[in-house]
Amino acid sequence: KQEVTQIPAALSVPEGENLVLNCSFTDSAIYNLQWFRQDPGKGLTSLLLIQSSQREQTSGRLNASLDKSSGRSTLYIAASQPGDSATYLCAVSFNNAGNMLTFGGGTRLMVKP
Amino acid sequence: NAGVTQTPKFRVLKTGQSMTLLCAQDMNHEYMYWYRQDPGMGLRLIHYSVGEGTTAKGEVPDGYNVSRLKKQNFLLGLESAAPSQTSVYFCASSYGGPGANVLTFGAGSRLTVL
Repeated sequence: KQEVTQIPAALSVPEGENLVLNCSFTDSAIYNLQWFRQDPGKGLTSLLLIQSSQREQTSGRLNASLDKSSGRSTLYIAASQPGDSATYLCAVSFNNAGNMLTFGGGTRLMVKP
Repeated sequence: NAGVTQTPKFRVLKTGQSMTLLCAQDMNHEYMYWYRQDPGMGLRLIHYSVGEGTTAKGEVPDGYNVSRLKKQNFLLGLESAAPSQTSVYFCASSYGGPGANVLTFGAGSRLTVL
């Protein structure tokens, strides 16, 4: 079974720190990998989508990288702010999974003022 | 610009009751999805649709039915609710398949089955 894993499940950092969230997946045959943000009691908001042919994507203070051969992606958040506190989920579109995205369990981030 | 709207936001059912969750999108998206989110399980796909009049099973379809009579609406039905269906349900839509397209999510519907 293809799986997506996010470690750690929770992370607490002081404001201003640069941080890295990790996502690993079990099959390198993917179409893309997406990072989402989820605020408590809310839906998911797409942050970045990396196609299988790409190595990284950037949006503001966020940078996501993809290493298919090792089955890993990282989400780098620069100069973290309390407003970045949320749960971050990664999701993978595997080649043989049709129209299904496989989600990781998420990392719950708290940025302390 | 509403995006994806889910109704109702909260619902409490007794075991054996039936209900329908409604998802509406105003972005002219072809693909629509229903996910459930449970603690420690992440999001799992229940059913999806690749266009008006089509539906397909996802990872956890048992106990649910869906319909896509209009392009903008995707309905999720529970015919006989069970406590195991207590969850937060999310609808999402995309222009094309998830292999190349970003998904837009609704705010979620929290269902409790007693």
